[in-house]
Amino acid sequence: DGGITQSPKYLFRKEGQNVTLSCEQNLNHDAMYWYRQDPGQGLRLIYYSQIVNDFQKGDIAEGYSVSREKKESFPLTVTSAQKNPTAFYLCASRGASSYNEQFFGPGTRLTVL
Amino acid sequence: AQSVTQPDIHITVSEGASLELRCNYSYGATPYLFWYVQSPGQGLQLLLKYFSGDTLVQGIKGFEAEFKRSQSSFNLRKPSVHWSDAAEYFCAVVGGGADGLTFGKGTHLIIQP
Repeated sequence: DGGITQSPKYLFRKEGQNVTLSCEQNLNHDAMYWYRQDPGQGLRLIYYSQIVNDFQKGDIAEGYSVSREKKESFPLTVTSAQKNPTAFYLCASRGASSYNEQFFGPGTRLTVL
Repeated sequence: AQSVTQPDIHITVSEGASLELRCNYSYGATPYLFWYVQSPGQGLQLLLKYFSGDTLVQGIKGFEAEFKRSQSSFNLRKPSVHWSDAAEYFCAVVGGGADGLTFGKGTHLIIQP
């Protein structure tokens, strides 16, 4: 079945550590996105990528980094510079047209201890 | 800049009663509008979308939504709710980076027996 996978589902990190969240899709989509979700805040865009080896900052990119070396993969690194990293992180992808909706992965819940 | 407002943070409905969730958007051009549903700890699932044409759109799980340009609204409706409809509902408009989505803050739906 085609879809988006995110791993791990739960992640715990000590303060000062970097951590990388995985996102993989087999939908052959060009565009991929990372969102952060906090209670009562909706989803906010962190980074997005339209093609391999290219990505752009979203609304809240500070303290995060990404790479897009393969079409299928768009990992997100939460660095120690992110002041409040505890949140639910969602990855999404979209097909070629603006008419195409975004498909979401199941999410990763990151908790900083 | 585009924005989405969901005026109701929480809504409580009795099982079997009708439902309407409100969504207002701000967007300069013809909007592409979406409704997503999220169960606790899960990713988002698309309920329905509007791009053009008939202003009443049908979605999955018995949901429908009506686009009203004059009111800048895209309200979600269901004639009879089921306990399994309890979830978080997000309205979104295309307009972020790389045709990303701008989300409302969500409406939490509670179903009373």
